Parts: sequence; structure tokens; C-alpha cells
Amino acid sequence: DAGVIQSPRHEVTEMGQEVTLRCKPISGHNSLFWYRQTMMRGLELLIYFNNNVPIDDSGMPEDRFSAKMPNASFSTLKIQPSEPRDSAVYFCASSSPWTGASYEQYFGPGTRLTVT
Amino acid sequence: EDQVTQSPEALRLQEGESSSLNCSYTVSGLRGLFWYRQDPGKGPEFLFTLYSAGEEKEKERLKATLTKKESFLHITAPKPEDSATYLCAARYNNNDMRFGAGTRLTVKP
Repeated sequence: DAGVIQSPRHEVTEMGQEVTLRCKPISGHNSLFWYRQTMMRGLELLIYFNNNVPIDDSGMPEDRFSAKMPNASFSTLKIQPSEPRDSAVYFCASSSPWTGASYEQYFGPGTRLTVT
Repeated sequence: EDQVTQSPEALRLQEGESSSLNCSYTVSGLRGLFWYRQDPGKGPEFLFTLYSAGEEKEKERLKATLTKKESFLHITAPKPEDSATYLCAARYNNNDMRFGAGTRLTVKP
């Protein structure tokens, strides 16, 4: 099993540019989560999907952020326009329906975003 | 707002010196308490899930316990390879998942 795959691993962009982060969950997992991690705020849940449907996006900081999951094997997190305060490590995680309520989440390696 | 607080922020141990990490959480609506390990430059790695007070789970040198208002991660005779940041997370009825700030553990040989 390849685990959760994220791309790119590192992204450096200028303020105002559009940034798209990508995630491929573990095959067979039906829930997908996007998190942001910073030194100041720790790990924050941004949005999660169940069976490709967004369930809770209350953690999305503002309208500049959007996420999609067009199918069970792919999700994107887009920031447009990007700002320096968006600099963070963004993680994608997935979980299996077979874990029931245990909600074990398997995290990808993360994308380190730097906005200058 | 639901809160998860971990202590200490950092812990330095000698190899073989046992200790415990603490996680306190907002009790109302808790659906599960989770422990993860995170190594530098990597994503968190799932360790344990606990659901009810009195529950305990073990894995190698780690044992997680849950009381009505806090959870402990006990590390017995740690080795240098146990050095990592340990994260506690709580899931609530509204499916909100809250992570603590973590405890950065360093085990010296």
C-alpha cells in the first residue's frame, strides 16, 4: 500500500498567486481530511469529505480557500490568491469505513507551502 | 469551544527513564481520544484510539490510558528511537477533530 500521496512536497510562490495542493487517499478509504500545521496554531482541520461529499468546511479560514473531491481517489485544496500568512505545512489524511467509529486517520507526508 | 491541552510542551529523558505525557480535553460530546506520533518532516502516525474512561491500550513501550477528563501516554524504558512529537486529538459529536499542540519528546542514549 502506497499510503496517502500528496503533491507537491514543497511549493514556493509569490503573494497573489494561485496554489493547488493535491492528494490521493489510500484506496478503499471513504473519508478524506485536509489539515494545516503551523508552529503558532498547531494542527488544524480545514475540511473533510465523506464519500466525496464535503461534510464540514467550518475550518476553512476564508473564501480564498476551496477544496474539491471529484472522485474517490483525488482531492485538491486551492488557495487563490495566496498570502504570506498561508505559509504552513498542509496535510491530507484518509480513513477507512471499516474502522467504524475509531476514525483512525492515515496522514500523507504533507506539502510545505511558502508564500513570499 | 472544544479544547485539547497537552503537557509538558517538551520532555527530555535518559534512555530507560520512564515517564508520562498528559492530555486534557473538553469532556462534553467526546466520541474518541486519539494519540499520534509525528517525526520531523513527516505526517502524524496513528498510535491509539480510546473511547471510555478506564480503557487502556498498549503498543511496545507505549501505553495509553483514559480517565473522565484526561488521557496519559506512558512510556516505559524509552529508547532514542522513541524521540518524536506526540499529539493528542479529540473527536466530538459534531465530528470536530481537535489536536493538542503536542509534546516534543527527546530520549538521550
